[in-house]
Amino acid sequence: DAKTTQPNSMESNEEEPVHLPCNHSTISGTDYIHWYRQLPSQGPEYVIHGLTSNVNNRMASLAIAEDRKSSTLILHRATLRDAAVYYCILRGSGTYKYIFGTGTRLKVLA
Amino acid sequence: GAGVSQTPSNKVTEKGKYVELRCDPISGHTALYWYRQSLGQGPEFLIYFQGTGAADDSGLPNDRFFAVRPEGSVSTLKIQRTERGDSAVYLCASSLKPPGDRGDTQYFGPGTRLTVL
Repeated sequence: DAKTTQPNSMESNEEEPVHLPCNHSTISGTDYIHWYRQLPSQGPEYVIHGLTSNVNNRMASLAIAEDRKSSTLILHRATLRDAAVYYCILRGSGTYKYIFGTGTRLKVLA
Repeated sequence: GAGVSQTPSNKVTEKGKYVELRCDPISGHTALYWYRQSLGQGPEFLIYFQGTGAADDSGLPNDRFFAVRPEGSVSTLKIQRTERGDSAVYLCASSLKPPGDRGDTQYFGPGTRLTVL
């Protein structure tokens, strides 16, 4: 399974945009890029996923590099409720195992 | 609507005892997954059910761990002769469709925190 590399932690000020990077240099052509986040004492929560094109939803945007070796999760205006561990996961088409790394712990400062 | 629920939320047991952890998936979801999360780590896959059958149990650490889903809905993770190393948060997830289909996003429950003394 292809692996991802994320910074251990990041900080952001409230109401500012946050860019969470993820490197996945060994990604294969059929791997989808998924992002989940885990708030304290909760299970992981789906955020967004994509294959090649940039994606937007009500929670966030996903920017995927042209060579697909990296991606960035964008929170447009961080709130205190966005403080969580963010996981970038590669999942092959037709597979089901999410291989979680240790993620990025996002701290949002008031 | 109701999400994935897990009971109990916390379970404390003694080394050597038997425990059962229950997962109620989202209604209508055909696929169900169990993961285990140790402190400071991401969740680790244990087993996947499609309907009533275990399609992949390759993540179960040893034969003390077993899971069932007899009617294709509720699932129970069973751990025999618990050890201190089994202490972790056990997470359940479900998805509407089988892997590879649209709608196969996994939705996680809040987990059961198991502590083995």
